Amino acid sequence: GENVEQHPSTLSVQEGDSAVIKCTYSDSASNYFPWYKQELGKGPQLIIDIRSNVGEKKDQRIAVTLNKTAKHFSLHITETQPEDSAVYFCAASRRTNAGKSTFGDGTTLTVKP
Amino acid sequence: DTAVSQTPKYLVTQMGNDKSIKCEQNLGHDTMYWYKQDSKKFLKIMFSYNNKELIINETVPNRFSPKSPDKAHLNLHINSLELGDSAVYFCASSPTGGAGEKLFFGSGTQLSVL
Repeated sequence: GENVEQHPSTLSVQEGDSAVIKCTYSDSASNYFPWYKQELGKGPQLIIDIRSNVGEKKDQRIAVTLNKTAKHFSLHITETQPEDSAVYFCAASRRTNAGKSTFGDGTTLTVKP
Repeated sequence: DTAVSQTPKYLVTQMGNDKSIKCEQNLGHDTMYWYKQDSKKFLKIMFSYNNKELIINETVPNRFSPKSPDKAHLNLHINSLELGDSAVYFCASSPTGGAGEKLFFGSGTQLSVL
């Protein structure tokens, strides 16, 4: 089955700096890569996603890049703010395994004011 | 109006008891899921239902039994609770259950087994 590895497990940055979280996946058939943000006491919420036919996607301060050859994808947050502090999860799923996303183990991001 | 709502938010119980967690979604989605998040924050899928039909059943003890009375509801019943069942359980839904769909999560039920 699919295996998703996520690094780092914890990340601390100063407000205004950039943060990068990286994930690798094992199943070359995976074609959908979402990122979820989980704030304290809440459920995960999708913040951005990318499909395998695209190499990069940006939405304001967040961007995701995908390298299909190397089977890795990354989340980039620029100009971090204290409200970006949360646990971030990457995930991967493939067309033939409908509905089953494999999640990375999460990254706890702390943005210091 | 909460899209995916689950109750209760907190559940504290003794070992050996039986308990249920309820989930409802008002998004009109066909597919619902149960995920377990352990103390290290790892998220693992347990079950998924599409239009009341069981689609995914991961390696979960048979003490866990999901029930879907209709496509808007997916409840989780747990028999003979054990200490290791302590976790946060998340309900989620997606439009059709196909790959490449965003998951909508509830706010979680924190289960503590004493």
